[in-house]
Amino acid sequence: SQQGEEDPQALSIQEGENATMNCSYKTSINNLQWYRQNSGRGLVHLILIRSNEREKHSGRLRVTLDTSKKSSSLLITASRAADTASYFCATARSSNTGKLIFGQGTTLQVKP
Amino acid sequence: DSGVTQTPKHLITATGQRVTLRCSPRSGDLSVYWYQQSLDQGLQFLIQYYNGEERAKGNILERFSAQQFPDLHSELNLSSLELGDSALYFCASTPTSGGTGELFFGEGSRLTVL
Repeated sequence: SQQGEEDPQALSIQEGENATMNCSYKTSINNLQWYRQNSGRGLVHLILIRSNEREKHSGRLRVTLDTSKKSSSLLITASRAADTASYFCATARSSNTGKLIFGQGTTLQVKP
Repeated sequence: DSGVTQTPKHLITATGQRVTLRCSPRSGDLSVYWYQQSLDQGLQFLIQYYNGEERAKGNILERFSAQQFPDLHSELNLSSLELGDSALYFCASTPTSGGTGELFFGEGSRLTVL
């Protein structure tokens, strides 16, 4: 079973608006990562937040992590049509099992 | 370009057949991971190799096997193929065995079983 669950499953916004995606997970983690996938392409790493961090920024991306609620959010500000893609959270568990567990993803459509 | 190379990009075959997917990791990376992505199951971890040795195993079927060669490239062998094996198969690599850092993904091999 998947570690992470994301919502919403799909999100459609206008260019310039902000997009927020949420991820919940079940077990203790070492870190949580967000990846982006353009249709049918490989996944690209966006940002990693460690379990002792609460917020992290990278360009137009802002990630928060609440370990007490076992949840994370990804905010994309001032979205662009080129941000249209699927976004996945992935968790690295505290017990080093040598693998990332991915959520089901949120499909974001940014309309020009 | 992540530096991870996967071949073939597309593969169409029939049920009962066997295929081999190949992955070349980024230069210097010792770990290779295989993931399967399908519409109903999402992105599922299959198996990890580190410097030639199996390191972690996920939801890999007995009909599937993998190995990592001395030059660090990896192959995923899928046999007795079924319709449900149709999916995108991704390879990813990292420098270390830990598996908690950033994964560098290839562009995937799209397998269609008819």
